[in-house]
Amino acid sequence: AQTVTQSQPEMSVQEAETVTLSCTYDTSESDYYLFWYKQPPSRQMILVIRQEAYKQQNATENRFSVNFQKAAKSFSLKISDSQLGDAAMYFCAYYAGGTSYGKLTFGQGTILTVHP
Amino acid sequence: NAGVTQTPKFQVLKTGQSMTLQCAQDMNHNSMYWYRQDPGMGLRLIYYSASEGTTDKGEVPNGYNVSRLNKREFSLRLESAAPSQTSVYFCASSRPGTGIWPQHFGDGTRLSIL
Repeated sequence: AQTVTQSQPEMSVQEAETVTLSCTYDTSESDYYLFWYKQPPSRQMILVIRQEAYKQQNATENRFSVNFQKAAKSFSLKISDSQLGDAAMYFCAYYAGGTSYGKLTFGQGTILTVHP
Repeated sequence: NAGVTQTPKFQVLKTGQSMTLQCAQDMNHNSMYWYRQDPGMGLRLIYYSASEGTTDKGEVPNGYNVSRLNKREFSLRLESAAPSQTSVYFCASSRPGTGIWPQHFGDGTRLSIL
């Protein structure tokens, strides 16, 4: 079974600075997908960024980028120019693709605090 | 433009009571899911429905039942609520296939069992 591990229960960053959230996963699949979701205090689950395992290029969405290391099974999220609105719980998630019918496996989450 | 709608948003039950959480999506998605979120454990899959007429167990199905009423609706039932089922419950939907089809989530139901 696939597992996803976020080893940082909490992180903090100063406004305008950069922070990196870590995620590792375990799988025997060669083709899969990885996601970062943001959960603000409102409880909404908001998709931040996604990465296809077959793509070597790291995904980027505005201030958010990932460092995808397939051999190391690592998928970290970098937030640049942090803003107060980035404060939230962040979840890393894995999707096996194929016949897994869209099922996601989530990490434990990292609470990000942004200091003004 | 509702997306995924869950009802209710909050509920308090006594141990042994039954309850059905409702979920509906208006995106014509084939697959629907129920997750529970507990502190330090992320979201864990309870049940899913790959398509209308099918349901399957996820990681933590004990104590729950589901019904895929039609393509839009997927309900989660607690037959005899237990304090261990105190959690935040999320319904999600997606249209999986080739490529990435990210899940769309409802706003969650906070359920407390006393």
